[in-house]
Formats: sequence, C-alpha cells, structure tokens
Amino acid sequence: QITLKESGPTLVKPTQTLTLTCTFSGFSLSSHGVGVDWIRQPPGKALEWLALIYWDDDRRYNPSLKSRVTINKDTSKNQVVLTMTNMDPVDTATYFCAHSTFGELYFDYWGQGILVTVSS
Amino acid sequence: QSVLTQPPSVSGAPGQRVTISCTGSRSNIGAGLDIHWYQQLPGTAPKVLIYGNTNRPSGVPDRFSGSKSGTSASLAITGLQAEDEADYYCQSYDSSLGAWVFGGGTKLTVL
Repeated sequence: QITLKESGPTLVKPTQTLTLTCTFSGFSLSSHGVGVDWIRQPPGKALEWLALIYWDDDRRYNPSLKSRVTINKDTSKNQVVLTMTNMDPVDTATYFCAHSTFGELYFDYWGQGILVTVSS
Repeated sequence: QSVLTQPPSVSGAPGQRVTISCTGSRSNIGAGLDIHWYQQLPGTAPKVLIYGNTNRPSGVPDRFSGSKSGTSASLAITGLQAEDEADYYCQSYDSSLGAWVFGGGTKLTVL
C-alpha cells in the first residue's frame, strides 16, 4: 500500500524559505521509473504542479517557479524535500506530494496535503 | 489563466448525465499527450478518476468515463449521485512549457 505524508511549517513569514518534507511508504525511490512530485493549491483555486524528482535523480521544475524551487531526495529515509525561497503571501496554499511513474505523466497516489500560510 | 480550460461549474439532478469539458492546445492534448481526470471532495486530496484518456483505476465506478478528440477531452458522469458533488480537474503534460498542467477545475453540484 502506497502512502505519502507532507510535513513542515504551517506558517512562514514573507521572504523566508519554506522547507517541506514528503515521507512515503509502499515504494522505493531507487526503483526504476518511480517519481515523486510536489503540487500546490491556493485556497479556493486550482492545482499547480511545482516539481518532480525521479529515481535516477532527474529533476523537473515548473518554469514559472524554477528560480525559487529545489527538490531533493533521501532514498534511505524514504523522503523527498521541497525548498521554496523568498516566500510571499501569494504562495499561501495546500502543498501536496504525489507518486508518479516515468512515462505515465499523471499522479496516482497523493498525500493528504499541508496548508502553508505566508503572513507576517 | 490555466493552460487547460474547464467550465467553472456544472450541475445536474440525481440520475442524470453530465459532462465536463477540458480544452487544450497543440502543445498538450492536441499533441497526442494523454489527459487525466481527478475528483477532489471537499477538504481532501485529489483522487485519480480517469488516466490515459479513458482508463478507470480499480474501484472507480463505470459511471465515470473519459474521451478525447483533437485538442479537447471530456469527462462524463452518468447516473448522477449526491456523493459525486466535488471539484473535478483535468491534467496533461505540455510539451512547450515542459511542465505538467491542470485545468482550472469544475465544481459539480448535484441538485
């Protein structure tokens, strides 16, 4: 059974750096074809894909956020970490991590999400 | 503005059939890239409803079906039930952006 869970701060100040951790089970990020993505959703708004890391350390980023976002993995801990710099109130959103498979281009398992509020 | 365009809302009475459209472009749906659909119940994470244009994961009722033609796709729900009231999102990959993209979402109201 695949599960994912997001953790991190629920409140950050403007200009600060956000670090979120996705801890997963039921799969290994060292297995061929496996990927973990980050997706966010501002309150009442649509989903937005942020970043992806594959089993082979290939990383993909949303071009609109590429300069601010970094994704890394710790295979031994079954964790993926998202870092987003220079946070702004418009970045207030629920942040989800999700499992994907190379070549299939969709997100088949999702974490419950974590609401991050950016406010001074 | 989302790369994929969906109607903001649709509604239908119990037992009826509704469809939700998703319009893209030549760099995503029109490029032959698959469309996927998610259902998001209030306060929960999205759940994949249709993948690869027409495929249902195990456990998804056959009341839900997907289709694709040209630069557009549709999600059809037959035999509408109260529990279907949710937000629905289409999703694809855009080859020009090099990014996974979502529609703006459609809120389904069961009257």
